[in-house]
Formats: sequence, C-alpha cells, structure tokens
Amino acid sequence: GAGVSQTPSNKVTEKGKYVELRCDPISGHTALYWYRQSLGQGPEFLIYFQGTGAADDSGLPNDRFFAVRPEGSVSTLKIQRTERGDSAVYLCASSLMGGVGDEQFFGPGTRLTVL
Amino acid sequence: KNEVEQSPQNLTAQEGEFITINCSYSVGISALHWLQQHPGGGIVSLFMLSSGKKKHGRLIATINIQEKHSSLHITASHPRDSAVYICRSRLTFGEGTQLTVNP
Repeated sequence: GAGVSQTPSNKVTEKGKYVELRCDPISGHTALYWYRQSLGQGPEFLIYFQGTGAADDSGLPNDRFFAVRPEGSVSTLKIQRTERGDSAVYLCASSLMGGVGDEQFFGPGTRLTVL
Repeated sequence: KNEVEQSPQNLTAQEGEFITINCSYSVGISALHWLQQHPGGGIVSLFMLSSGKKKHGRLIATINIQEKHSSLHITASHPRDSAVYICRSRLTFGEGTQLTVNP
C-alpha cells in the first residue's frame, strides 16, 4: 500500500520568502508528526497532530512556523519569512493512533534550502 | 524534558564484526524505538521495545527500563548494514550513530 508521501522532494527558496511543505499520511492514520533534520543530527520534533488538532506544537521554533491539518489527513507545514537557518530536511511521519508505542511511518522528506 | 543520548556517534567495522550501539534516556518511558536511516533520508522502524529483548534476523535490541538504557546489536555485520541508526523515545530522537561496515 501507499506509504507517507511528501511534496516537494526539494525546495530551493530565497531568504524572506514563504514556503509550504505538504505531507500525505497513510490512509486511516490519525496521528501525524512533523520533524526537522539538519545534517549529521537526529530528527527534531516540531509538531504533532491527533486528527485535525495540534496535540503538541512545542517544537515549533518560532511564530514563523505554522502547520495545519484541516481534514485530519493531509498536512501542510508553512514557513514565513524564511531564513538561511531554516535549511534542513523536513520529515513527516504518521501513526495509526498516536500512542507511545505506535510505530511511526516516515515520508522521504522535503529538503529545504534557503539561499 | 527527555534527553536521549547515543554512543558512539560514528562506528567503522569490518564485515563480520559484532556491532553494539547504545542509547540512554533520562525520563522513564514505556517504549523505545530503534530506527534505521539510509543515505537519502529514508527512515524505517527496526524495533519497538518496552522490556527485555527482541530479535529480527541479525539484529537484536535490548532494553533495561530501570537503568534507562537500550542497546542495538548487529551480528555478522555486512556492508549493506551501513546506515545511521537512531533511537527514539516518544518525540525525542538521539543524534544517531553513523555505521560504516567495510568489506
């Protein structure tokens, strides 16, 4: 079956621009997670949705970052006024129920480069 | 805040060697996950552990809940095992261990 997909796979933008990154989770998965991974580092938690609502957004670094999941399926991570430090691979994952022991299924990531 | 620490950060081995990667966490948890990340970013889950030991092929994972420590072992390592191995405790990931197995 289809796994988690993310689009675009690569995004190059200029400092100050607005970007949107999309995640299509596995059908039926209620939990969706966004992570950011810099080179040589482990993924860093950004935000977690349970259904349509953000259950935990404590990882968002500042108010330039925002994410939505209006119908409880597809999610969009939005970054305003991008900065060079935002360059990273943005990973999305989904899990069936969002429990502590749930396996998270990861998408291939979107590599964001801010020039 | 739960801190997750892995060691070593980098590991180079010869084909056939026994590999051990360690993970320590600071907050009591009910489950810990081991992941494998290949070049290009794809992450796959290897194990979810809540106690004891699990084995899958040449991979073995153990956890000691009281000591807040887990290990991932690879027996008879092979060049195709070369990847980054990451432990995860809920929403917190370790830094990863870059494993390179040389033929």
